Amino acid sequence: SQELEQSPQSLIVQEGKNLTINCTSSKTLYGLYWYKQKYGEGLIFLMMLQKGGEEKSHEKITAKLDEKKQQSSLHITASQPSHAGIYLCGADIKTSYDKVIFGPGTSLSVIP
Amino acid sequence: KAGVTQTPRYLIKTRGQQVTLSCSPISGHRSVSWYQQTPGQGLQFLFEYFSETQRNKGNFPGRFSGRQFSNSRSEMNVSTLELGDSALYLCASSPGANSNQPQHFGDGTRLSIL
Repeated sequence: SQELEQSPQSLIVQEGKNLTINCTSSKTLYGLYWYKQKYGEGLIFLMMLQKGGEEKSHEKITAKLDEKKQQSSLHITASQPSHAGIYLCGADIKTSYDKVIFGPGTSLSVIP
Repeated sequence: KAGVTQTPRYLIKTRGQQVTLSCSPISGHRSVSWYQQTPGQGLQFLFEYFSETQRNKGNFPGRFSGRQFSNSRSEMNVSTLELGDSALYLCASSPGANSNQPQHFGDGTRLSIL
């Protein structure tokens, strides 16, 4: 959806390096979700952010929500091969049709 | 707790045929949403069902339809299949109709149209 953009489109990092993925909305965010997907499989729920300034962490993954900028970032510390996959952000932006729309995804490869 | 189950996992059809996909949500979840995922368009919302009623509908033609049963299981039907319908179809469930509850996804049904 053009209403939700992600950057970068793809990322290749060396194992142990830190990385950040960004998700930007063209409309007001009422909730922001981060998911991870392995090729051909379903989406695995990572985190949900609802309030501006909210920050959540799970293992080595931290997500933040900047409500004013209508943006969220996902940061992975000391990346591992198990972090490889496609990261998608989803947002509730109260459109006419959609319940939750998703960004195009960021493909992450981690080189051992 | 069992996750969201989608059947079948793979399906091959020809143009003009119709297909029915099935989704069993997590036990206790009453909201079921369907999404289509393609390399070109990404993940697009099809429709959402809650308590056997369609609550939301995405921008897809009428060939795409669905329904939900009293046990919250849902089916999605696509009639008069077109080559462009080849995609991974994902089902997601959540406890209620509120959008502040995360959805949990199944592994999808990969539909190929020949």
